[in-house]
Amino acid sequence: DGGITQSPKYLFRKEGQNVTLSCEQNLNHDAMYWYRQDPGQGLRLIYYSQIVNDFQKGDIAEGYSVSREKKESFPLTVTSAQKNPTAFYLCASSGWFDGTQYFGPGTRLLVL
Amino acid sequence: RKEVEQDPGPFNVPEGATVAFNCTYSNSASQSFFWYRQDCRKEPKLLMSVYSSGNEDGRFTAQLNRASQYISLLIRDSKLSDSATYLCVVIGNTGNQFYFGTGTSLTVIP
Repeated sequence: DGGITQSPKYLFRKEGQNVTLSCEQNLNHDAMYWYRQDPGQGLRLIYYSQIVNDFQKGDIAEGYSVSREKKESFPLTVTSAQKNPTAFYLCASSGWFDGTQYFGPGTRLLVL
Repeated sequence: RKEVEQDPGPFNVPEGATVAFNCTYSNSASQSFFWYRQDCRKEPKLLMSVYSSGNEDGRFTAQLNRASQYISLLIRDSKLSDSATYLCVVIGNTGNQFYFGTGTSLTVIP
């Protein structure tokens, strides 16, 4: 089945630790996105990429980093510089002229 | 000013009721508009696109008013399964940024 997968479903981070969230899609989409959602809040854009080897900062990029070495993959690293990382992280992709986004099931990140 | 503003609700309505949500956007050059549905602790999923001419899908009707810069979603004959958060989404004039509203919570009561 075509779709977007994210792993892990739950992730625990210790203080000072970097963690990486995985996002893979087999929809042949060029554009991929990372969002953060806090309880009772909307989605806030962290990073997006429209093409391999290129990505742009979103509204809340500080404390996060990404890479886009393959079209199918867009991993997000939450660095120790992100002081309040507890949130629901959603990855999405969209095709050219598609106009809609398809989301993965999300990763819940918790700080120990 | 936020790109997209939504009334967060919550809306609590009885089964069979008609309920409407509105969403305003700030950029008059915005290109495309959508409604997404998000169930509790799940990812958002596309509900329907919104066109100036209106868009109807069964009990759901979406409308776009470019002059007043708002989009609306009307749900008729509400079902228990309609309980969810409804997000309005606007694509900016660059075509590559999606702006999400904070969502409107709907609970349909038996």
